[in-house]
This record gives sequence, C-alpha cells and structure tokens, in this order.
Amino acid sequence: QKEVEQNSGPLSVPEGAIASLNCTYSDRGSQSFFWYRQYSGKSPELIMFIYSNGDKEDGRFTAQLNKASQYVSLLIRDSQPSDSATYLCAVTGMNRDDKIIFGKGTRLHILP
Amino acid sequence: KAGVTQTPRYLIKTRGQQVTLSCSPISGHRSVSWYQQTPGQGLQFLFEYFSETQRNKGNFPGRFSGRQFSNSRSEMNVSTLELGDSALYLCASSRYGQGRIADTQYFGPGTRLTVL
Repeated sequence: QKEVEQNSGPLSVPEGAIASLNCTYSDRGSQSFFWYRQYSGKSPELIMFIYSNGDKEDGRFTAQLNKASQYVSLLIRDSQPSDSATYLCAVTGMNRDDKIIFGKGTRLHILP
Repeated sequence: KAGVTQTPRYLIKTRGQQVTLSCSPISGHRSVSWYQQTPGQGLQFLFEYFSETQRNKGNFPGRFSGRQFSNSRSEMNVSTLELGDSALYLCASSRYGQGRIADTQYFGPGTRLTVL
C-alpha cells in the first residue's frame, strides 16, 4: 500500500517567520511531487511541483526533495496570515497505472 | 483561460437516491480525475478518465461510476446513496494524465453532497 504521510498539525508559526512543512512517502519509485494549498471550504490549488532532487524556489516558496530519504518539504518564507491553510502533499509515479496519492494535509496557522 | 468547472455546487439527497455530478476540464486537458474528500479520510482517488476511457480506479464500490465524453467533459454517478457518501467531490483536470512526470492536476471548486 503506497502511502504519503504528513503531520496533521496544526503548525503555528509567527508572522514573518519560516514555515516548514514535511511529507514522507513509501514508494521508492515515485517521480513527481506536488504541494497544494487548500483554504477551508475551498478546493486545492497548486503551489508547486518538483521532480528532481534538491531545491526548487518560486517566490516565497521553496520545495525540497530528497529521494534517498523519501521525503519532500515545503518552506514558506516571510509567512503571512493569508498562508494559513491546509497544505497537501501529493506523490505519483511515472507509469500509466500510477495513481496520484495525497497526504491528509498539514494545517498551518500563521500567528499575526 | 477558464478553469475547471463543476456542477452543481451543492446537492442534498436522501438515502437510496442516485446523483450525477458534472465536470468540465480546462480547455486542452484530456484527463479528468475524481476525488472524494472527507474530514476523516482526506482526499481519496475515485477514478481517472483519459480520452473517454477509464485509466485508473480507486478502491470504491461499484455504486460509484463515471464516464467521459468526446469533449473531455466528465460525469460521475453515485447510485443507492448512503449517509457515508456525504462529502466534497472534486474533479481535477490535467493535460497528459496521471503517471506523466510533472503532469499537473488543477482542481474544480467541488460539489458538496449531503445525504440525509
């Protein structure tokens, strides 16, 4: 059973600080990794994806992938109250039979 | 570019009834995936359609079915509704389908189904 694990939180971070969200996955063959943000009552929206080991930066967001350790993380710099949401990690492989698997999400609360 | 649209947005049904939900993907996207989201279980994959064919299926009973039309629009049907089917049903579209590296899914606003 392929699994994606996230700490459910809530993770409380002061405004302006760095929020660090982590995700581990069980399938070593996983190739694509996504971070989605979901506000309460809304649908998930894509923040970024990563598929190569290392860091990928997009504005205040940095995704980090370590395939050897099977984890992917998301860093949010200069956290804002508007970043308060649930963050979903999603993982998929490279075969047509591979299904994208979502973690249950981490609730992030930015303290003003 | 228009996003993914889903209709209806809200639905109230009673046990035993059936329901059909509709999803229109982003123009040019051929893959539509359906998910059920509940507070306890998170986002669970129902099935994926690509070019009118079901490519993948999650672990849901046969009461859940779907189809895709030639214009990539998709419908999901749930028959003999149960109380536990109350959930947010999300569809997501992508250009190449699951299993293609970095193929990105874009979600619609969802249909909130309540079964009484």
